[in-house]
Amino acid sequence: EVQLLESGGGLVEPGGSLRISCSASGFTFSNYGMTWVRQAPGKGLEWVSGIGNGGGERCYADSVKGRFIISRDNSKNTLYLQMNSLRAEDTAVYYCVKQRWPAFDYWGLGTLVTVSS
Amino acid sequence: QTVVTQEPSLSVSPGGTVTLTCALNSGSVSGGYYPGWFRQTPGQAPRTLIYNTNTRSSGVPDRFSGSILGNKAALSITGAQADDESDYYCALYVGSGIWVFGGGTRLTVL
Repeated sequence: EVQLLESGGGLVEPGGSLRISCSASGFTFSNYGMTWVRQAPGKGLEWVSGIGNGGGERCYADSVKGRFIISRDNSKNTLYLQMNSLRAEDTAVYYCVKQRWPAFDYWGLGTLVTVSS
Repeated sequence: QTVVTQEPSLSVSPGGTVTLTCALNSGSVSGGYYPGWFRQTPGQAPRTLIYNTNTRSSGVPDRFSGSILGNKAALSITGAQADDESDYYCALYVGSGIWVFGGGTRLTVL
C-alpha cells in the first residue's frame, strides 16, 4: 500500500526558514517523480514544485522560485521542501504527491505550515 | 500568466448528470495539457479521479468520466449521489514540468 507521510510543518516567523519532509513507502520511490502541492486556508490547490525520479529535474511555481528548494534522498525514500524567506502567503497545508506520468496518483495527508509573527 | 478557470459552483439533483469544465486563458485545452481531475471533501486530502484527460484512477466508478468538450477539459458525473458533494479541481500541464490548478468547483447535490 502506497503511503506518503508529511512532517516538519509548524509555526515560523516571516522571513524564516523551514524544511518539510515526506516519507514514502509501498512503492519503489526512486522510480517516480514527486510533487508538492499546497492549499492555503479556505483556498484552492496550488502546484508548488516537482522533481524527477533521479532528482536532476526540478521545477517551481513562480510564487516560490528562488525561495524554495525541492530535493529527495532515494536511499531514505524521502522527499524534502526547503522553504526560505517565508511570507504570510506561504501559509498552507503542503501535500506530498506521487507522480506516475502524467498522473498525480497518490496524495499524502499534508502538513500545515503557518507563517506568522 | 497562465490562468485555469472552473465554475465556482454547480448544483445537481440526485440521480442527475452534471458537467464541470476547465478552461485556459491562453487558448484551447487539448490532450497535450494532460488534464487531471481531483476531488476533495472538507478536511480531507485531495483524491485523483481522472488523469490524462479520460483515464480513471484505480477504484473510481465509471459514473465519473473525463473528456475534451469544445475548447475545455470536462468532468462529467452521471447518476449523482449525495456523497458526490465535494470540491472538484482540475489541473493542466503547461510545459517545463509545470502544472496549474484551476480554482475549483464546489458541487452541491440537492
